[in-house]
Amino acid sequence: DAKTTQPPSMDCAEGRAANLPCNHSTISGNEYVYWYRQIHSQGPQYIIHGLKNNETNEMASLIITEDRKSSTLILPHATLRDTAVYYCIVRANRDDKIIFGKGTRLHILP
Amino acid sequence: EPEVTQTPSHQVTQMGQEVILRCVPISNHLYFYWYRQILGQKVEFLVSFYNNEISEKSEIFDDQFSVERPDGSNFTLKIRSTKLEDSAMYFCASRRLAGFGTDTQYFGPGTRLTVL
Repeated sequence: DAKTTQPPSMDCAEGRAANLPCNHSTISGNEYVYWYRQIHSQGPQYIIHGLKNNETNEMASLIITEDRKSSTLILPHATLRDTAVYYCIVRANRDDKIIFGKGTRLHILP
Repeated sequence: EPEVTQTPSHQVTQMGQEVILRCVPISNHLYFYWYRQILGQKVEFLVSFYNNEISEKSEIFDDQFSVERPDGSNFTLKIRSTKLEDSAMYFCASRRLAGFGTDTQYFGPGTRLTVL
């Protein structure tokens, strides 16, 4: 079972920052936080991952709380193409399979 | 940027028929996966494959399923006798055996299997 809790859906205005929360209160020390997204019926797309430090790449930023029990994915300037289901996943470095939850359905509003 | 590719994009078959779904993983990747997603449901892990053998499989991956890497580039999923409940999107994924920074699974676009 997924080890994370996410809101089922969120709305965000185009051009604004989308902040997607994730709770992972049972995360253990060797587990990373990964984010994937799935645009309608396409394959899941890797976004970003982190252990305890905040991370940023060309797609997004990941903010992990100091106790690591929650995190936030930030899309700095959301566009209509960011409409998707976003999955927050906790897994150890060498965990092979990915266990997907239901994710958050993000609607970007024009 | 290298991508995982899958063929066909859509496969329609009759119940009881065999189907083979094909995937070409990213060329320097060594771990391969199949996942499926029934319409409206979560993405589910089926099987992982490394060094020409199955590493892990889920309860879904029963004797009707098999995987193969017939050559240096393709990775296939075979369903021997399809059932109506096998209708789903099937996603192939691959990852490179390397340091953690590259230990990420990359997914293909999927094959939609429809069993009539």
